[in-house]
Amino acid sequence: DTEVTQTPKHLVMGMTNKKSLKCEQHMGHRAMYWYKQKAKKPPELMFVYSYEKLSINESVPSRFSPECPNSSLLNLHLHALQPEDSALYLCASSQGGIGREQYFGPGTRLTVT
Amino acid sequence: DQQVKQNSPSLSVQEGRISILNCDYTNSMFDYFLWYKKYPAEGPTFLISISSIKDKNEDGRFTVFLNKSAKHLSLHIVPSQPGDSAVYFCAAPLHAGTASKLTFGTGTRLQVTL
Repeated sequence: DTEVTQTPKHLVMGMTNKKSLKCEQHMGHRAMYWYKQKAKKPPELMFVYSYEKLSINESVPSRFSPECPNSSLLNLHLHALQPEDSALYLCASSQGGIGREQYFGPGTRLTVT
Repeated sequence: DQQVKQNSPSLSVQEGRISILNCDYTNSMFDYFLWYKKYPAEGPTFLISISSIKDKNEDGRFTVFLNKSAKHLSLHIVPSQPGDSAVYFCAAPLHAGTASKLTFGTGTRLQVTL
């Protein structure tokens, strides 16, 4: 089973709203990732969690706040977003260490109005 | 600095023929490469990978070739099928502690026509 699930599938939010994206995997992977993808562009790494600790923050604005409650779950808390933050947000997981393949969820299509 | 490049933004191939997607890289530290397939509004799906100690890896209709001296890899799909129509990304990981940081190419949109 190489499934990563993400909820919600679509999200529309205003610039003053607070919302959260959720990601779950049950493959026993110890590394989890958040990516952002704009149209006609490759996925762009935002955050990496390794063994439930934040190991990489790619200089992401503080209006994006990641959280890893346990080894299977990854959240991305959103607050005071801008319209240019509208994108497909992808979660991925990997074994970490020697495991280099990352398995992606279906993504959350976020629209900021 | 684009460390992984896919210079062909699009490719059109007839059903049943071979599709060849190309990828070039500049970072000599890359020692593993992956290909992903992506349909619109979905997450990328892992297809096939290759270690730098090999020059070829095959999985069913998909074969990846690696030319380390040229810093070039290619994905061959044969025979091509309409369901293969998607955007294909090559990617290379760099270890970041106990995780890996993927660098993606810009993607090639493959259209398989009837």
